[in-house]
Amino acid sequence: DAKTTQPNSMESNEEEPVHLPCNHSTISGTDYIHWYRQLPSQGPEYVIHGLTSNVNNRMASLAIAEDRKSSTLILHRATLRDAAVYYCILRDRRTGNQFYFGTGTSLTVIP
Amino acid sequence: EAGVAQSPRYKIIEKRQSVAFWCNPISGHATLYWYQQILGQGPKLLIQFQNNGVVDDSQLPKDRFSAERLKGVDSTLKIQPAKLEDSAVYLCASSPRAISPGDSTDTQYFGPGTRLTVL
Repeated sequence: DAKTTQPNSMESNEEEPVHLPCNHSTISGTDYIHWYRQLPSQGPEYVIHGLTSNVNNRMASLAIAEDRKSSTLILHRATLRDAAVYYCILRDRRTGNQFYFGTGTSLTVIP
Repeated sequence: EAGVAQSPRYKIIEKRQSVAFWCNPISGHATLYWYQQILGQGPKLLIQFQNNGVVDDSQLPKDRFSAERLKGVDSTLKIQPAKLEDSAVYLCASSPRAISPGDSTDTQYFGPGTRLTVL
């Protein structure tokens, strides 16, 4: 199963954009890229997902490299409530089964 | 819409004791997952149900862990006997659709988890 690599931690100032990178050099053509985040003492929550094209929703944007070997989650204006661990996950479209969570990126938002 | 409910929220037991966790998924959700999250790590899938059948239990330590989903709704996860390394948060998640080949877009909705401490 394809795996992802993320920085262990990042910091951002409040109300500034945040770019969270993810490397997935062994991604296959059938893998979707999912992002979830986990706030302290809570279960993970869905953020966004995509296959090839860039995606936007009310929470964030997902920029996918043309070769799909990397992607970036973009929070347009970080708030204190965005402080969480962000997980980049590949999910095989052929099976749709297991999510493999890595250790994620712990985002600290500085007031 | 009510979220995924889990109980208890916290449990402290001694090693070799037994423990059970309960999960009530979002109404109508076909697929249910149990994850184990050890401190400092991401969640690891233990078992996945589709309705009341097991889809994937390849990472479930079957010598001590068991799970069931009767009537395709609620689910229980049991550990018997517990070991020190079982100390973790146990997360339950559900998703609306039955997983099928070609469909990996289904969103998972997670409960708050049960924090287990084994002494």
